[in-house]
Amino acid sequence: AQRVTQPEKLLSVFKGAPVELKCNYSYSGSPELFWYVQYSRQRLQLLLRHISRESIKGFTADLNKGETSFHLKKPFAQEEDSAMYYCALLPASGANNLFFGTGTRLTVIP
Amino acid sequence: ETGVTQTPRHLVMGMTNKKSLKCEQHLGHNAMYWYKQSAKKPLELMFVYSLEERVENNSVPSRFSPECPNSSHLFLHLHTLQPEDSALYLCASSQDLVSANTGELFFGEGSRLTVL
Repeated sequence: AQRVTQPEKLLSVFKGAPVELKCNYSYSGSPELFWYVQYSRQRLQLLLRHISRESIKGFTADLNKGETSFHLKKPFAQEEDSAMYYCALLPASGANNLFFGTGTRLTVIP
Repeated sequence: ETGVTQTPRHLVMGMTNKKSLKCEQHLGHNAMYWYKQSAKKPLELMFVYSLEERVENNSVPSRFSPECPNSSHLFLHLHTLQPEDSALYLCASSQDLVSANTGELFFGEGSRLTVL
């Protein structure tokens, strides 16, 4: 069965410091991975997807199939990055369910 | 109004009550979803509708009854709930089923349900 694990419930970093939010998954096939973000008083929204290989708001995430990880990284954290971050997995084609982790609350300290 | 709108935002009900949650999307999407978010647990998919047809029902108790009268509206009818059903219920939509598109879901702000 598929599972998404975000080991850190809370993560605090200073402004300008690098940040890495961890995500590990268990799935026997080739999944698609996503990061969703929820800023204060806003709704949950897509941040980035691994197949796009894009950088959004300075964030990147690389899918490591050997380590079954999809960590989210940013070299210099900004205060506006403070939010709740969720890693999500879409199993092989035909599945209609995004499996979410429990989320990590990132606080960037000024 | 644009996006995904959920009403009510907060609901308190007794175990014998019958109530409904409403979701409306103004994005022209074909698929709609109900998710449950409980404290310290991942989002759990409850129901998926595509073009008003239910395509997924993840072993949800029958005290939760979805209804999708058209592609813009989705309801979750609640009856004889239990205190453990207290949670944030999120509605989402996507252009097509998440498996057929980019995996992007558009979420509402949620309905916070408390069952006494």
